[in-house]
Amino acid sequence: DGGITQSPKYLFRKEGQNVTLSCEQNLNHDAMYWYRQDPGQGLRLIYYSQIVNDFQKGDIAEGYSVSREKKESFPLTVTSAQKNPTAFYLCASSGDGGSNYGYTFGSGTRLTVV
Amino acid sequence: DAKTTQPPSMDCAEGRAANLPCNHSTISGNEYVYWYRQIHSQGPQYIIHGLKNNETNEMASLIITEDRKSSTLILPHATLRDTAVYYCIVRVTNTGNQFYFGTGTSLTVIP
Repeated sequence: DGGITQSPKYLFRKEGQNVTLSCEQNLNHDAMYWYRQDPGQGLRLIYYSQIVNDFQKGDIAEGYSVSREKKESFPLTVTSAQKNPTAFYLCASSGDGGSNYGYTFGSGTRLTVV
Repeated sequence: DAKTTQPPSMDCAEGRAANLPCNHSTISGNEYVYWYRQIHSQGPQYIIHGLKNNETNEMASLIITEDRKSSTLILPHATLRDTAVYYCIVRVTNTGNQFYFGTGTSLTVIP
């Protein structure tokens, strides 16, 4: 079945360490996105990529970095510069720029920094 | 910022219709209204979307007012599994492909 896979589901890291969250899709979607969700809050856009080797900052990109070397993969690195990294991270993809295409989401990675 | 306004929470009796409202008074003519829902600690799930006309699928119905400034998602026979946070989203077409999510409506279906 086609879909988006995020791994791991739970991740624990020490403060000051960089950590990379994986996002892989086999839907042949061009666009991919990373969102952050804090308890009781909506989703906030971190980064997005509409095509391989290109990506743009979202609303809360500070302290994060991404790469898009392959169409299927859009990993997110949470750097030590991110002041409050503990959150639920969601990856999504969509078919193209057309208005009819919605998002397909992964099941998320819950990151806890101790 | 999200361009929609939703009530923070609603209750609905099991088996009854759940009507979830959304205001999007600044919507542009070529922007679609999408609805997603998120069950606790999972990724959001697509429900339905529309532009002008009312839409129906196996999950829900979407009613969009004639002036397109508001819409209502209808779950015709709510079950306990419909308890979730429901997001109404207007697609921001002029800034690429992003969706902007607000805080949504937390729907609780009561037995």
